[in-house]
Amino acid sequence: RKEVEQDPGPFNVPEGATVAFNCTYSNSASQSFFWYRQDCRKEPKLLMSVYSSGNEDGRFTAQLNRASQYISLLIRDSKLSDSATYLCVVNNPSNTGKLIFGQGTTLQVKP
Amino acid sequence: NAGVTQTPKFRVLKTGQSMTLLCAQDMNHEYMYWYRQDPGMGLRLIHYSVGEGTTAKGEVPDGYNVSRLKKQNFLLGLESAAPSQTSVYFCASSYGRGGFTDTQYFGPGTRLTVL
Repeated sequence: RKEVEQDPGPFNVPEGATVAFNCTYSNSASQSFFWYRQDCRKEPKLLMSVYSSGNEDGRFTAQLNRASQYISLLIRDSKLSDSATYLCVVNNPSNTGKLIFGQGTTLQVKP
Repeated sequence: NAGVTQTPKFRVLKTGQSMTLLCAQDMNHEYMYWYRQDPGMGLRLIHYSVGEGTTAKGEVPDGYNVSRLKKQNFLLGLESAAPSQTSVYFCASSYGRGGFTDTQYFGPGTRLTVL
């Protein structure tokens, strides 16, 4: 089983749609969770950290379910500029400073 | 703040040639990392450093060496390049003190082709 698993997609959605990405992680001792965004041929960039109580940043909402070891990202009112690959990232509890990256979910927003 | 910078941005090598990729960060981060990213493989950690003068192996270290002589710089060396090392190389840095200080900040990447 992969340490961080994501549905690779691609997710093709029209502008204005709501889309949700899911991610599962294998190590229950993980404590820090993130969503990164990677545009084509660019570096990964932090989109948002995921807090235990869930958090929202504009059109983006992240949720954490520790019992199920599951993280989600919801994007409302999708924009063309949201087209990218979204990486689910979890800390390595055995090694401070190391992160485990999922392979990413690709989103394509169409006009 | 420039953040994390990498040089060069692009490079083409012939099999057997050597080269060094340079990463620099101006955020006073303790931890620095080198990753490679290949289609369908995601990010794979090559080597990392938890502070000046230290280095450690990641999951795919073979064929690479690293050095961290200064806190702000992390060098990745290929002694004898092979076509299998054709990839995009990303450097990253973080405070590495646990929790959300583990957030990593990435450089723009180096696209390396080995012929």
